[in-house]
Amino acid sequence: GQNIDQPTEMTATEGAIVQINCTYQTSGFNGLFWYQQHAGEAPTFLSYNVLDGLEEKGRFSSFLSRSKGYSYLLLKELQMKDSASYLCAVIDSNYQLIWGAGTKLIIKP
Amino acid sequence: GAVVSQHPSWVICKSGTSVKIECRSLDFQATTMFWYRQFPKQSLMLMATSNEGSKATYEQGVEKDKFLINHASLTLSTLTVTSAHPEDSSFYICSARGDKGDTEAFFGQGTRLTVV
Repeated sequence: GQNIDQPTEMTATEGAIVQINCTYQTSGFNGLFWYQQHAGEAPTFLSYNVLDGLEEKGRFSSFLSRSKGYSYLLLKELQMKDSASYLCAVIDSNYQLIWGAGTKLIIKP
Repeated sequence: GAVVSQHPSWVICKSGTSVKIECRSLDFQATTMFWYRQFPKQSLMLMATSNEGSKATYEQGVEKDKFLINHASLTLSTLTVTSAHPEDSSFYICSARGDKGDTEAFFGQGTRLTVV
């Protein structure tokens, strides 16, 4: 079966750095997304990785290791507005999006 | 990024009535549209995938006669919740993708449905 695992909840302090991990087992791989979702809103796109390595975009970076079936989202200089759920999603061989359950990130002052 | 418009943003209806939710791609042709529902504090659950001009493919456990999906054009898909019940109250989100090889799927704003 297809499976994506990410922690249910994480807590971090404003101004700090947090890493949210995602491991996946899917039938094929055509890319991995990270989305941010605030409560009551639709997800918004953060990053897309299809090759191994680190993609940096401002305060957010995303890393992928296809051989390990592993990705992480790194958030730097945390702000209170970063409190949200972070969803990991993989495109499988049929170009279907497989979603993780999301990681709720709580930022404390 | 591309824009997907979903309407309405929220709706309250009485039990037994039907509600239609629209999903439009504003600046690209959406070959494929996806409909999700999301319960509080849970991940997105794919309900169905629709390709323009063909019948939608429903996920296991989703009643196709209750959740009617129409994807008649490359820019519009609709989800109709028929004979709504309180347990259908949820957050419904559509997303649209151009070609199969496209990477990102673009999301609508979501529709909060409350059935009373």
